[in-house]
Amino acid sequence: SQQGEEDPQALSIQEGENATMNCSYKTSINNLQWYRQNSGRGLVHLILIRSNEREKHSGRLRVTLDTSKKSSSLLITASRAADTASYFCATQQAGTALIFGKGTTLSVSS
Amino acid sequence: DTEVTQTPKHLVMGMTNKKSLKCEQHMGHRAMYWYKQKAKKPPELMFVYSYEKLSINESVPSRFSPECPNSSLLNLHLHALQPEDSALYLCASSQVAGTSYNEQFFGPGTRLTVL
Repeated sequence: SQQGEEDPQALSIQEGENATMNCSYKTSINNLQWYRQNSGRGLVHLILIRSNEREKHSGRLRVTLDTSKKSSSLLITASRAADTASYFCATQQAGTALIFGKGTTLSVSS
Repeated sequence: DTEVTQTPKHLVMGMTNKKSLKCEQHMGHRAMYWYKQKAKKPPELMFVYSYEKLSINESVPSRFSPECPNSSLLNLHLHALQPEDSALYLCASSQVAGTSYNEQFFGPGTRLTVL
């Protein structure tokens, strides 16, 4: 069953703009992870944020986590055409497997 | 080597065929996973192996049979599949299963078509 729900389902922006994707989940978690998937290929791990963390950065990526609202956001700054992909949040409770959300499809046009 | 490899990349099979999907990693990971992904859907967990033993089976039909011959290899044996089993099958690995803070490394997947 899916725990995470991404919003929006699809997002189209121009190169250089920022892209923000949101993820909501239902139960308490140990950590939340974001993955990227290029069309029809495997997933690539982007960032992991623990339940006791509020914000994390990695290059052009910024992730926030609000456990009181059971939500997370992924911000990609200065987007590039190569960022075009599907982005999934995945939650993990202690000692369990990842549960993926439905994903956001990002299109960046040049 | 931080790569998970999967073979074949594409597979077309009939409903009476028997085939196998293969996955390999050389990162020393002790947990390996099979996921099924339909078009425009998120990956769905099928099986988890931890230290070469099956630890999670997400109520997958018996026509899918996983096997972990050693810590680097993971197979998925397919028999008597249905057309609705057509999907992208993804293999992943992580350092250890069942603990927290585990990022997973995914292979490129096998695109399976059942006729």
